[in-house]
Amino acid sequence: ILNVEQSPQSLHVQEGDSTNFTCSFPSSNFYALHWYRWETAKSPEALFVMTLNGDEKKKGRISATLNTKEGYSYLYIKGSQPEDSATYLCAPHNNAGNMLTFGGGTRLMVKP
Amino acid sequence: DTGVSQNPRHKITKRGQNVTFRCDPISEHNRLYWYRQTLGQGPEFLTYFQNEAQLEKSRLLSDRFSAERPKGSFSTLEIQRTEQGDSAMYLCASSLARHNEQFFGPGTRLTVL
Repeated sequence: ILNVEQSPQSLHVQEGDSTNFTCSFPSSNFYALHWYRWETAKSPEALFVMTLNGDEKKKGRISATLNTKEGYSYLYIKGSQPEDSATYLCAPHNNAGNMLTFGGGTRLMVKP
Repeated sequence: DTGVSQNPRHKITKRGQNVTFRCDPISEHNRLYWYRQTLGQGPEFLTYFQNEAQLEKSRLLSDRFSAERPKGSFSTLEIQRTEQGDSAMYLCASSLARHNEQFFGPGTRLTVL
């Protein structure tokens, strides 16, 4: 079982603020890192799948970076909007595993 | 809607009762996963199927839990003699292959009174 940590656990920001979260994971046998966004009463939605050290991915105002050597990934949201309010989950996938191991998530609340 | 669906969305039951949840994955996906999520935690892996074969089970899956995927399509998760500690969100996901993106259903929220 992988030890995956996300910080902060929760975050309150004002509309328009930019913010970032951290995901830490074991770097050995790394295969891929998944970021999901989970809004209340909806299905977790895949944001990014990242595999290479130094990967940077972007989707609208959300972007992510990956460092597989030191075992961390950052998720950035530029100009947060109320609709960004959700729990953001990261899940590394190692070579041996068949399942995703999720961190505890970062719960983001954006106030209008 | 061609995504992953789960039924029921909510289930309230009394301690000691049996419950069964259903998951319908994306039709061409041969891998199906069950996860459980409790308050303040991320989803935790329970079990997964490749086609109809159940290939891995977590230690979280006690003998009161059983999962099936009889024809390699939909899956059921049954919990016998429910306990209050079973109260959680039960999520199902499917994927095309081992390291591919997993697509999640909306979950079944179980409350055991």
